[in-house]
Amino acid sequence: AQRVTQPEKLLSVFKGAPVELKCNYSYSGSPELFWYVQYSRQRLQLLLRHISRESIKGFTADLNKGETSFHLKKPFAQEEDSAMYYCALNYGGSQGNLIFGKGTKLSVKP
Amino acid sequence: DTGVSQNPRHKITKRGQNVTFRCDPISEHNRLYWYRQTLGQGPEFLTYFQNEAQLEKSRLLSDRFSAERPKGSFSTLEIQRTEQGDSAMYLCASSAGGQDSEKLFFGSGTQLSVL
Repeated sequence: AQRVTQPEKLLSVFKGAPVELKCNYSYSGSPELFWYVQYSRQRLQLLLRHISRESIKGFTADLNKGETSFHLKKPFAQEEDSAMYYCALNYGGSQGNLIFGKGTKLSVKP
Repeated sequence: DTGVSQNPRHKITKRGQNVTFRCDPISEHNRLYWYRQTLGQGPEFLTYFQNEAQLEKSRLLSDRFSAERPKGSFSTLEIQRTEQGDSAMYLCASSAGGQDSEKLFFGSGTQLSVL
């Protein structure tokens, strides 16, 4: 069965430190993975998707099929990065039906 | 605000009552999704519409739940005979077709509390 696992509920780092938010998935098909972010008092929004291979707000994520992982990384964390981050797997083909992980709360301290 | 709009923002009801939520998607989006989120969990998929057609329903969507999108624009989610376990944030999202079909735009949600 398809599943997304985010092992850390909370990740706390200091400003300027590197950040890695872990995401592992289980899916028998060809995975399409996403990172969504929810800042305080804001809506859940798309941060990036693996097919775009883009860097958004300094964040990158590489799909590793061998390790079934899609970790989110940023070399130098900023205080404004503090938010709830959700990894999501598209299992519905072109339909956009997503399975979300439980989320990791990132806290960047000054 | 041209984003996804959900009403009401909060709903408190007594067990056994019926409730209905409304979602207005981004106007040019033909796909509309309902998700449910409980404390400490990520959003869980409930159902999905393409235009007015309901194309998929999760096993989470019991017979007490019904969703409609009659004209392919706004959608309603009704819960009949509410139970305390229905207490959750109900999220609506919409997306365009084509290459951006997986880019979901979420509303602010409706927080349901069943007493």
